[in-house]
Amino acid sequence: DGGITQSPKYLFRKEGQNVTLSCEQNLNHDAMYWYRQDPGQGLRLIYYSQIVNDFQKGDIAEGYSVSREKKESFPLTVTSAQKNPTAFYLCASSTLDRVTDEQFFGPGTRLTVL
Amino acid sequence: GESVGLHLPTLSVQEGDNSIINCAYSNSASDYFIWYKQESGKGPQFIIDIRSNMDKRQGQRVTVLLNKTVKHLSLQIAATQPGDSAVYFCAENTDSSYKLIFGSGTRLLVRP
Repeated sequence: DGGITQSPKYLFRKEGQNVTLSCEQNLNHDAMYWYRQDPGQGLRLIYYSQIVNDFQKGDIAEGYSVSREKKESFPLTVTSAQKNPTAFYLCASSTLDRVTDEQFFGPGTRLTVL
Repeated sequence: GESVGLHLPTLSVQEGDNSIINCAYSNSASDYFIWYKQESGKGPQFIIDIRSNMDKRQGQRVTVLLNKTVKHLSLQIAATQPGDSAVYFCAENTDSSYKLIFGSGTRLLVRP
Protein backbone atom coordinates (compact mmCIF):
# COMPACT_ATOMS: atom_id res chain seq x y z
CA ASP A 1 0.00 0.00 0.00
CA GLY A 2 1.89 3.04 -1.26
CA GLY A 3 1.74 6.41 0.40
CA ILE A 4 3.16 8.86 2.86
CA THR A 5 3.18 8.29 6.59
CA GLN A 6 3.71 10.85 9.29
CA SER A 7 4.18 10.17 12.94
CA PRO A 8 3.06 10.87 15.52
CA LYS A 9 -0.43 12.21 14.75
CA TYR A 10 -0.39 14.38 17.88
CA LEU A 11 2.72 15.70 19.59
CA PHE A 12 3.09 17.77 22.72
CA ARG A 13 6.24 19.62 23.57
CA LYS A 14 7.39 21.79 26.41
CA GLU A 15 8.68 25.20 25.57
CA GLY A 16 12.42 25.20 24.94
CA GLN A 17 12.58 21.62 23.68
CA ASN A 18 13.44 20.48 20.18
CA VAL A 19 11.15 17.92 18.59
CA THR A 20 11.44 15.84 15.42
CA LEU A 21 8.51 14.97 13.16
CA SER A 22 8.79 11.88 11.00
CA CYS A 23 7.85 11.62 7.32
CA GLU A 24 8.31 8.48 5.22
CA GLN A 25 7.19 7.72 1.66
CA ASN A 26 7.26 4.53 -0.39
CA LEU A 27 6.19 6.14 -3.65
CA ASN A 28 9.77 6.36 -4.96
CA HIS A 29 9.35 10.13 -5.26
CA ASP A 30 12.44 12.26 -5.63
CA ALA A 31 11.03 15.41 -4.03
CA MET A 32 9.71 15.87 -0.51
CA TYR A 33 8.24 18.93 1.20
CA TRP A 34 7.26 20.18 4.64
CA TYR A 35 4.40 22.63 5.14
CA ARG A 36 2.96 24.39 8.13
CA GLN A 37 -0.76 25.10 8.40
CA ASP A 38 -2.36 27.50 10.86
CA PRO A 39 -6.13 27.98 11.32
CA GLY A 40 -7.59 30.26 8.68
CA GLN A 41 -4.55 30.02 6.45
CA GLY A 42 -3.30 27.96 3.58
CA LEU A 43 -0.14 25.89 3.53
CA ARG A 44 3.21 27.59 3.91
CA LEU A 45 6.38 25.90 2.72
CA ILE A 46 9.07 25.29 5.34
CA TYR A 47 11.68 23.21 3.51
CA TYR A 48 11.87 21.04 0.43
CA SER A 49 14.29 18.52 -1.02
CA GLN A 50 14.67 17.30 -4.57
CA ILE A 51 17.51 14.85 -4.03
CA VAL A 52 19.17 12.95 -1.21
CA ASN A 53 21.59 15.01 0.89
CA ASP A 54 20.25 18.28 -0.51
CA PHE A 55 17.44 20.57 0.60
CA GLN A 56 16.32 24.19 0.23
CA LYS A 57 14.61 26.67 2.51
CA GLY A 58 11.03 27.51 1.83
CA ASP A 59 9.18 30.65 2.87
CA ILE A 60 9.25 30.10 6.64
CA ALA A 61 12.39 28.06 7.40
CA GLU A 62 13.50 30.00 10.49
CA GLY A 63 13.46 27.81 13.59
CA TYR A 64 13.28 24.56 11.62
CA SER A 65 15.83 22.08 10.32
CA VAL A 66 15.63 19.04 8.04
CA SER A 67 17.77 16.19 6.74
CA ARG A 68 17.49 13.93 3.70
CA GLU A 69 19.80 11.00 4.28
CA LYS A 70 17.51 8.55 2.50
CA LYS A 71 15.18 9.02 -0.45
CA GLU A 72 12.25 7.68 1.56
CA SER A 73 12.67 9.86 4.63
CA PHE A 74 12.54 13.62 5.29
CA PRO A 75 12.36 14.34 9.04
CA LEU A 76 11.62 17.86 10.29
CA THR A 77 13.04 19.20 13.54
CA VAL A 78 11.21 22.05 15.22
CA THR A 79 13.82 23.80 17.31
CA SER A 80 13.44 25.96 20.39
CA ALA A 81 14.22 28.93 18.14
CA GLN A 82 10.81 28.62 16.49
CA LYS A 83 8.79 31.24 18.34
CA ASN A 84 5.31 29.95 17.63
CA PRO A 85 5.57 26.24 16.81
CA THR A 86 2.01 25.17 17.63
CA ALA A 87 0.54 24.22 14.25
CA PHE A 88 -0.48 21.39 11.93
CA TYR A 89 2.51 20.07 9.97
CA LEU A 90 2.09 18.39 6.62
CA CYS A 91 4.63 16.41 4.63
CA ALA A 92 4.30 15.85 0.90
CA SER A 93 6.18 14.20 -1.93
CA SER A 94 6.19 14.38 -5.71
CA THR A 95 7.98 13.16 -8.80
CA LEU A 96 10.16 15.50 -10.81
CA ASP A 97 9.15 14.21 -14.23
CA ARG A 98 6.70 17.08 -14.91
CA VAL A 99 4.10 14.65 -16.22
CA THR A 100 2.21 15.89 -13.22
CA ASP A 101 3.21 18.36 -10.54
CA GLU A 102 0.81 16.86 -8.03
CA GLN A 103 2.10 16.64 -4.51
CA PHE A 104 0.91 13.72 -2.40
CA PHE A 105 0.27 14.57 1.22
CA GLY A 106 0.60 12.65 4.45
CA PRO A 107 -2.04 12.72 7.20
CA GLY A 108 -0.27 15.45 9.18
CA THR A 109 1.12 15.91 12.68
CA ARG A 110 -0.48 18.36 15.09
CA LEU A 111 2.17 19.88 17.33
CA THR A 112 1.16 21.65 20.53
CA VAL A 113 3.64 23.50 22.68
CA LEU A 114 2.66 23.55 26.32
CA GLY B 1 -11.57 16.36 14.42
CA GLU B 2 -9.29 19.35 14.20
CA SER B 3 -10.38 22.47 12.40
CA VAL B 4 -8.06 23.52 9.64
CA GLY B 5 -9.56 26.95 9.16
CA LEU B 6 -11.62 28.93 11.62
CA HIS B 7 -11.89 32.09 9.56
CA LEU B 8 -12.01 30.85 6.00
CA PRO B 9 -14.50 32.13 3.43
CA THR B 10 -17.44 29.75 3.49
CA LEU B 11 -19.73 28.56 0.73
CA SER B 12 -22.96 26.96 1.90
CA VAL B 13 -24.96 24.91 -0.62
CA GLN B 14 -27.97 22.65 -0.56
CA GLU B 15 -27.33 18.96 -1.11
CA GLY B 16 -27.85 18.17 -4.77
CA ASP B 17 -27.06 21.68 -5.99
CA ASN B 18 -23.93 22.55 -7.95
CA SER B 19 -21.06 24.30 -6.16
CA ILE B 20 -18.60 26.77 -7.62
CA ILE B 21 -15.44 27.60 -5.70
CA ASN B 22 -13.29 30.41 -7.02
CA CYS B 23 -9.60 31.19 -6.80
CA ALA B 24 -7.60 34.17 -8.01
CA TYR B 25 -3.94 33.52 -8.68
CA SER B 26 -1.19 36.08 -8.73
CA ASN B 27 1.58 34.89 -11.03
CA SER B 28 0.92 35.31 -14.74
CA ALA B 29 3.83 32.91 -15.37
CA SER B 30 2.08 30.06 -13.55
CA ASP B 31 1.40 27.19 -15.90
CA TYR B 32 0.08 24.45 -13.63
CA PHE B 33 -2.90 24.61 -11.30
CA ILE B 34 -4.32 22.07 -8.91
CA TRP B 35 -7.27 21.75 -6.55
CA TYR B 36 -7.06 19.93 -3.25
CA LYS B 37 -9.76 18.90 -0.78
CA GLN B 38 -8.92 18.84 2.91
CA GLU B 39 -11.18 17.28 5.50
CA SER B 40 -10.84 18.27 9.12
CA GLY B 41 -7.67 16.94 10.72
CA LYS B 42 -6.43 15.27 7.54
CA GLY B 43 -3.94 15.95 4.78
CA PRO B 44 -5.05 17.49 1.48
CA GLN B 45 -6.28 15.14 -1.24
CA PHE B 46 -5.91 15.72 -4.97
CA ILE B 47 -9.11 16.56 -6.83
CA ILE B 48 -8.12 17.75 -10.29
CA ASP B 49 -5.38 19.65 -12.07
CA ILE B 50 -4.97 21.66 -15.27
CA ARG B 51 -2.11 23.08 -17.31
CA SER B 52 -2.18 26.54 -18.84
CA ASN B 53 -2.57 25.22 -22.38
CA MET B 54 -6.12 24.22 -21.45
CA ASP B 55 -9.08 26.25 -20.24
CA LYS B 56 -11.28 23.43 -19.02
CA ARG B 57 -10.82 19.97 -17.66
CA GLN B 58 -13.43 17.56 -16.37
CA GLY B 59 -13.28 14.78 -13.86
CA GLN B 60 -15.87 12.74 -12.09
CA ARG B 61 -18.46 15.31 -10.90
CA VAL B 62 -15.80 18.04 -10.94
CA THR B 63 -14.74 20.57 -13.56
CA VAL B 64 -11.90 23.05 -13.39
CA LEU B 65 -12.03 26.22 -15.46
CA LEU B 66 -9.01 28.41 -16.11
CA ASN B 67 -9.23 32.00 -17.30
CA LYS B 68 -5.69 33.21 -17.87
CA THR B 69 -6.82 36.64 -18.98
CA VAL B 70 -8.06 37.53 -15.52
CA LYS B 71 -5.92 35.00 -13.65
CA HIS B 72 -8.91 33.12 -12.31
CA LEU B 73 -9.46 29.46 -11.53
CA SER B 74 -12.70 27.82 -10.51
CA LEU B 75 -13.78 24.40 -9.31
CA GLN B 76 -17.29 23.24 -10.10
CA ILE B 77 -18.78 20.34 -8.20
CA ALA B 78 -21.92 18.82 -9.65
CA ALA B 79 -24.70 17.45 -7.46
CA THR B 80 -22.93 18.34 -4.23
CA GLN B 81 -23.06 15.68 -1.55
CA PRO B 82 -22.54 15.82 2.23
CA GLY B 83 -19.19 14.08 1.74
CA ASP B 84 -18.02 17.09 -0.26
CA SER B 85 -18.01 19.22 2.89
CA ALA B 86 -14.38 20.21 3.41
CA VAL B 87 -11.89 23.01 2.82
CA TYR B 88 -10.80 23.42 -0.80
CA PHE B 89 -7.43 24.87 -1.79
CA CYS B 90 -6.15 25.94 -5.15
CA ALA B 91 -2.41 25.91 -5.84
CA GLU B 92 -0.17 27.02 -8.70
CA ASN B 93 3.37 26.64 -9.91
CA THR B 94 5.54 27.60 -12.84
CA ASP B 95 7.46 25.50 -15.32
CA SER B 96 10.71 26.55 -13.66
CA SER B 97 9.70 25.59 -10.13
CA TYR B 98 8.43 22.50 -8.40
CA LYS B 99 7.08 24.55 -5.53
CA LEU B 100 3.32 24.85 -5.21
CA ILE B 101 1.92 28.17 -4.01
CA PHE B 102 -1.30 27.60 -2.09
CA GLY B 103 -4.30 29.88 -1.80
CA SER B 104 -5.92 30.47 1.57
CA GLY B 105 -8.81 28.06 0.99
CA THR B 106 -12.61 28.03 0.94
CA ARG B 107 -14.80 26.03 3.29
CA LEU B 108 -17.69 24.22 1.60
CA LEU B 109 -20.67 23.34 3.78
CA VAL B 110 -23.37 21.11 2.35
CA ARG B 111 -26.83 21.45 3.89
CA PRO B 112 -28.92 18.27 3.98
